[in-house]
Amino acid sequence: DAKTTQPTSMDCAEGRAANLPCNHSTISGNEYVYWYRQIHSQGPQYIIHGLKNNETNEMASLIITEDRKSSTLILPHATLRDTAVYYCIVPLLQNTDKLIFGTGTRLQVFP
Amino acid sequence: SQTIHQWPATLVQPVGSPLSLECTVEGTSNPNLYWYRQAAGRGLQLLFYSVGIGQISSEVPQNLSASRPQDRQFILSSKKLLLSDSGFYLCAWSGTRGLNEKLFFGSGTQLSVL
Repeated sequence: DAKTTQPTSMDCAEGRAANLPCNHSTISGNEYVYWYRQIHSQGPQYIIHGLKNNETNEMASLIITEDRKSSTLILPHATLRDTAVYYCIVPLLQNTDKLIFGTGTRLQVFP
Repeated sequence: SQTIHQWPATLVQPVGSPLSLECTVEGTSNPNLYWYRQAAGRGLQLLFYSVGIGQISSEVPQNLSASRPQDRQFILSSKKLLLSDSGFYLCAWSGTRGLNEKLFFGSGTQLSVL
């Protein structure tokens, strides 16, 4: 998969926006950016994905830079239940049958 | 709606014993199926994936094997467990309609080899 770089950990106050960055400078023109999260001792959960345009759903917003070399996942009003490890993934076009997870960003939301 | 079942939730096995973890998917046909492993404090490692019955791709050499005897059944096995096989095992499925398929995960099996 295209290499992604994420901070190891981040903190966020409850009720504030959590902005999780991801660098994917080697991304190709038609490769999507996916975000998943994993709450402790559970399977990862799909959050959102995008190609070029910004995306928003009921869970989060995804902002992709114009050059597509980086993106930011935004949780607009973080809650304690958003504490989890967040994974940014860019699967290779020829390998879209499989997603490779890195170590992600551990987000801690505090009261 | 689609559901994925994975069992058991926890398992404690002695070194050298066999292993069989089972995963089944309901509500979809011809899914892609995956086995991942997560060691304590580490990221997810893709072990096997399958795009159809009897079709298994192994991502890393190891002490484990996988089989897909039916369209929606995926089994992870070992003849003799090692201490290093301990970890959190996750089964997942995705559709096969091209790009942008999401992965849906089971609840996982926490395996402790003693």
